[in-house]
Amino acid sequence: GAVVSQHPSRVICKSGTSVKIECRSLDFQATTMFWYRQFPKQSLMLMATSNEGSKATYEQGVEKDKFLINHASLTLSTLTVTSAHPEDSSFYICSATRDHEQYFGPGTRLTVT
Amino acid sequence: RKEVEQDPGPFNVPEGATVAFNCTYSNSASQSFFWYRQDCRKEPKLLMSVYSSGNEDGRFTAQLNRASQYISLLIRDSKLSDSATYLCVADSSNTGKLIFGQGTTLQVKP
Repeated sequence: GAVVSQHPSRVICKSGTSVKIECRSLDFQATTMFWYRQFPKQSLMLMATSNEGSKATYEQGVEKDKFLINHASLTLSTLTVTSAHPEDSSFYICSATRDHEQYFGPGTRLTVT
Repeated sequence: RKEVEQDPGPFNVPEGATVAFNCTYSNSASQSFFWYRQDCRKEPKLLMSVYSSGNEDGRFTAQLNRASQYISLLIRDSKLSDSATYLCVADSSNTGKLIFGQGTTLQVKP
């Protein structure tokens, strides 16, 4: 069964609004979660590492003020896309590590109109 | 240069064929390597880890050559259900971060 869940699975929003995506580890604690983005026909690109109880670590080129990450508990990390623009439309996927294996959430498809 | 490079394909093969995918990585400090499978509009799922000694899981064989920084995946007796994108993945120096190749698309035809 699934070990990592994401919500929502799909969201459409208007340009300029903010969208929050939740990532939950099911039945295990994850001190670290990862957020990825995947554009059509491209690979997954790591955006940031979410650390429980501390600030997220962002990859080069990812704006931390635009992509807000909060890892407030050992089973939940949230990614908020602020002031979304059409170019932010993408497939956002989170992952968490359990027993040295990284499990991915089912992804959130964001469309900004 | 991309950290993990793959031939994007697509590879179109008939059922029963043997197909091989190759991948190279640039970070010599990478320690762990994987092949993931991703179906259209779905999340990646781990297919197998890759070890220097080579490992086999049913019809799938993975091989790692550290000297050449080269990883391979061999699929024997291809099934229609093998149609997917196969992602070559390397860790980033044991940080837990994974670096993905752009994926190789496989289409198995009847």
